[in-house]
Formats: sequence, C-alpha cells, structure tokens
Amino acid sequence: NAGVTQTPKFQVLKTGQSMTLQCAQDMNHEYMSWYRQDPGMGLRLIHYSVGAGITDQGEVPNGYNVSRSTTEDFPLRLLSAAPSQTSVYFCASSFRFTGELFFGEGSRLTVL
Amino acid sequence: KQEVTQIPAALSVPEGENLVLNCSFTDSAIYNLQWFRQDPGKGLTSLLLIQSSQREQTSGRLNASLDKSSGRSTLYIAASQPGDSATYLCAGAENTGFQKLVFGTGTRLLVSP
Repeated sequence: NAGVTQTPKFQVLKTGQSMTLQCAQDMNHEYMSWYRQDPGMGLRLIHYSVGAGITDQGEVPNGYNVSRSTTEDFPLRLLSAAPSQTSVYFCASSFRFTGELFFGEGSRLTVL
Repeated sequence: KQEVTQIPAALSVPEGENLVLNCSFTDSAIYNLQWFRQDPGKGLTSLLLIQSSQREQTSGRLNASLDKSSGRSTLYIAASQPGDSATYLCAGAENTGFQKLVFGTGTRLLVSP
C-alpha cells in the first residue's frame, strides 16, 4: 500500500525556472492538499482540493498553481521560482468524513 | 483566524518517564484536532484525531484530550521510550471544515536511555 507518493524528493532550481511537484495517492481520498514547511513557521497550507475538478486557495497560494483532473493526482506547479519558495513541500490526503490526514515523505526544494 | 501554539519547543526526558505535550488554540469552534509525529527528514504520521464532539482519544501509550472551552489539547505519552524521540505537532481544523488545518510549530522530544 503506497499511500501518498511525492516526486521528486529533492530539487534545485534557478530563480525564474518553473517546475511541477507531483503527488499521487492510492487510497481513493477525496481531499488532497499541499503544505510548505519552513523553520520556525510550522506547516502552512498552499492549496487544497475536495475532489476532482475542485481546487481552492490556502494561506500562502501566491506563486503556485494546482489542478485536480483525477482523484489520484494533485500536482503543484511553481510558475517562476523565487528564493522565497525554498522550502520542504508536503502533500497530504484524507477521506472526507474523518479528516485524518495522511502525508507524503516531502519534496525538498532549493531555489538559487 | 485559528492560531495554534505549542509549548515547550523542546523537551528532554529520561526513558520511562510519563510526559505531557501541550497545544493551545484560539478558536474554540474547532472542527477537529490532530496530533502528528515527524521524524527528521520525514513526513508527518497521524497519531490521534479528536473530532469536535469528542473529549479524548487513546492509542497504545498515547492519550490525547481536547478541551474546547479552554482552547487546549494535551498529548500524554506513558512510559516514554527512546523510539518516541521525534517532533510532535498538533493541528486544528478551522470551524469551516476539516479542509484547512492550522499547525503549531511543534515540540521536539528527546528521550534518553
């Protein structure tokens, strides 16, 4: 049972480059979300989705895009990377009626 | 807007000790509260989930309580072991639903043999 799978685990970008962080879950969860974790600031919600075709913004959405074309996948796109986007990114999913979150292992992004 | 605070930021105890981790939140109309464990360089693992209608949940040596009126949750770890060493985070879901979790910054626990 794979759970929540994130790729890549590590990535280094130059300022202005774009990239996509991939997230897939095999638990048939309706809800998926992206968080970023920064030292001293805890995890902050970037975007979330309550089902295929439905997305919404979280606390820190600027500079990021998401889409949800299938139940399983929820990619996070960085449009034009900035050093402030250096962080560890976590994807999470949950079954709607419990709300218990399951996290991926994280993607560590460095923007130079 | 929900705010979540965890004190202390770090805690060091000898093996076998019972301990309590604290979590405070500002909005008593909380949807649910979750406790997570995070090992260095790893993702978060859900430990306990307390729905707004519940007062506590138990799993093995772990017990979490929720007091909405005082804006507090506690995680009790009985008979601590070196394997319990990790960062423990609590997260409260805003009253609009479970979708938006607000995380505390965590308590880093070290259990010495």
